[in-house]
Amino acid sequence: QVQLQQSGPGLVKSSQTLSLTCTVSGGSISTGGYYWSWIRQHPEKGLEWIGHIFYSESTYYNPSLKSRVIISVDTSKNQFFLKLNSVTAADTAVYYCAKDAGYGDYGDAFDIWGQGTMVTVSS
Amino acid sequence: QSALTQPASVSGSPGQSITISCTGTSSDVGGSNYVSWYQQHPGKAPKLVIYEVKNRPSGVSNHFSGSKSGNTASLTISGLQAEDEADYYCSSYTSNSTIVFGTGTKVSGL
Repeated sequence: QVQLQQSGPGLVKSSQTLSLTCTVSGGSISTGGYYWSWIRQHPEKGLEWIGHIFYSESTYYNPSLKSRVIISVDTSKNQFFLKLNSVTAADTAVYYCAKDAGYGDYGDAFDIWGQGTMVTVSS
Repeated sequence: QSALTQPASVSGSPGQSITISCTGTSSDVGGSNYVSWYQQHPGKAPKLVIYEVKNRPSGVSNHFSGSKSGNTASLTISGLQAEDEADYYCSSYTSNSTIVFGTGTKVSGL
């Protein structure tokens, strides 16, 4: 059974870069043809899709975040990463990594989630 | 991209059936068979309960069901139970190859 373990700082200074890591266990990130995603949830608010990566190459991002986001993969470490630059207080949220269920072709259904990381952007 | 529209809250008595709507546009819900639903309890990660409009993942109770008509998808919980009290989110694949979530609905018992 695939599991996702998130790591990274819970506090980031305004204008700096938020960096999170998601480590995959119980399966290989480079096989199976799954999408690997990042999703966030502002305090007491709804879910917001940030983007995902497929086969270590193809990335798709939320248009509202596209200019500031990079999602990448390190297959040798079975990890994928989120980098969000030029953060502001509006980026304060719980960040989740997630794996798509593999039912369809578009990575649209997430069946495995990380534990969530609360990231606070401070001034 | 704009979030899909859901009612802020829905309530029902134990054993009652409730339905949560999720309204989008022809660029997402209306033009996609890739609509999913998630259940989220406080402090927990979301759990997938419906994918591709009406399909249940293995292990998900059959008292969850999904449907779609035009630009609106729906999640029905039949026989509301105490453990169903949670937040529910829909999501849809879009014509821009992105994914958009709904605004979320809090389900509570009467």
